Amino acid sequence: QSALTQPASVSGSPGQSITISCTGTSRDVGGYNLVSWYQHHPGKAPKLMIYEDIKRPSGVSNRFSGSKSGSTASLTISGLQAEDEADYYCCSYAGSSTFVFGTGTKVTVL
Amino acid sequence: QVQVQESGPGLVKPSETLSLTCTVSGGSIGNYFWSWIRQPAGKGLEWIGRIYSSGSTNYSPSLKSRVSMSVDTSKNQFSLKLTSVTAADTAVYYCAREFVVNDAFDIWGQGTMVTVSS
Repeated sequence: QSALTQPASVSGSPGQSITISCTGTSRDVGGYNLVSWYQHHPGKAPKLMIYEDIKRPSGVSNRFSGSKSGSTASLTISGLQAEDEADYYCCSYAGSSTFVFGTGTKVTVL
Repeated sequence: QVQVQESGPGLVKPSETLSLTCTVSGGSIGNYFWSWIRQPAGKGLEWIGRIYSSGSTNYSPSLKSRVSMSVDTSKNQFSLKLTSVTAADTAVYYCAREFVVNDAFDIWGQGTMVTVSS
């Protein structure tokens, strides 16, 4: 069970859109509609941003959206804001009652 | 509003057992899966395992031989034990609620730092 692959860093200017990819296999990302995304500001509790590939929890800005194609899931942040600067992690159900997280992506707002 | 809070020793000696407790407040521990997740310094999140309110458990294959979890519904708490720790187990440990089975983690604690050192 290997960690899902994410780019180490992604950056963008305020107002721009950025996309973070999360690549797994048919045994995790590609096998279930159960990818979730978390925003993590250091020292704070991670926050659920997207679940079941594309769903947004109540209270999460609609600037955040999720998508998936095959074994690669993506998180798009549109209208980038300074407060979006954080680490982002994807997570997938991996079968046999286990989960696997992504390697994490540091988002920098230029 | 449901909240969770991790507690336990911040320093554990190599080869000893790491023990942490997560206290659930503002709601019942019942009818949910509760997970432990950790983050070594400078690294990503790692799922350790989960426990249901009935006591049923699932563990990460990579840690299964050293992990055990328990639940005390009367105290609204669940616990983690990790045996034979090494420096590689030094991390921030989080507890979290799985809001739908096999789905996402909607409630997280602030995390507690555990250092393995003599």
